[in-house]
Amino acid sequence: ILNVEQSPQSLHVQEGDSTNFTCSFPSSNFYALHWYRWETAKSPEALFVMTLNGDEKKKGRISATLNTKEGYSYLYIKGSQPEDSATYLCAPNTGNQFYFGTGTSLTVIP
Amino acid sequence: KAGVTQTPRYLIKTRGQQVTLSCSPISGHRSVSWYQQTPGQGLQFLFEYFSETQRNKGNFPGRFSGRQFSNSRSEMNVSTLELGDSALYLCASSWLPTGHNEQFFGPGTRLTVL
Repeated sequence: ILNVEQSPQSLHVQEGDSTNFTCSFPSSNFYALHWYRWETAKSPEALFVMTLNGDEKKKGRISATLNTKEGYSYLYIKGSQPEDSATYLCAPNTGNQFYFGTGTSLTVIP
Repeated sequence: KAGVTQTPRYLIKTRGQQVTLSCSPISGHRSVSWYQQTPGQGLQFLFEYFSETQRNKGNFPGRFSGRQFSNSRSEMNVSTLELGDSALYLCASSWLPTGHNEQFFGPGTRLTVL
């Protein structure tokens, strides 16, 4: 069992603010890390698949970095919008299975 | 391209019964994984199937089983239901089973055990 920690657990920001979340995981047996956005009443949606130490991925206002040596990944949202309100999940993969964190719940206040 | 579909969407069962959930992956995807989410818990991995073979299994009792058909559709079965099996069950499909491939999730089946 892999211990995956996400912080903060929840976050309320004003529209236009930039924010970031952390995903921590054991650095051994790392194979890949996925980030997902899960909006209420919808299915989790893949944001990024990250595999290499130092990986940086970007999709619009959202970006992510990966440090496999120290076992963490950051997700950044620039200029948060109300539609960014969701739970953001990270899921390291050991090559055998995914281990999901409990997520960071983001609420963007208009 | 149709997304991942799961049936039924909602299910109510009583303790001791068994249940079968179905997942149809995106066309062309050969890997299907199943997850359980209970309140306060992250998604817990149940099992993964690829080309009709179970590749990996999570830490769940033998009451949880699954299979995959030649058309990549997958079913999971839970026998002798317990109250603690009440959860949202999600399946996800991907092109290949490696962790380097993006997973696409279905809408889930909400199971309530009374």
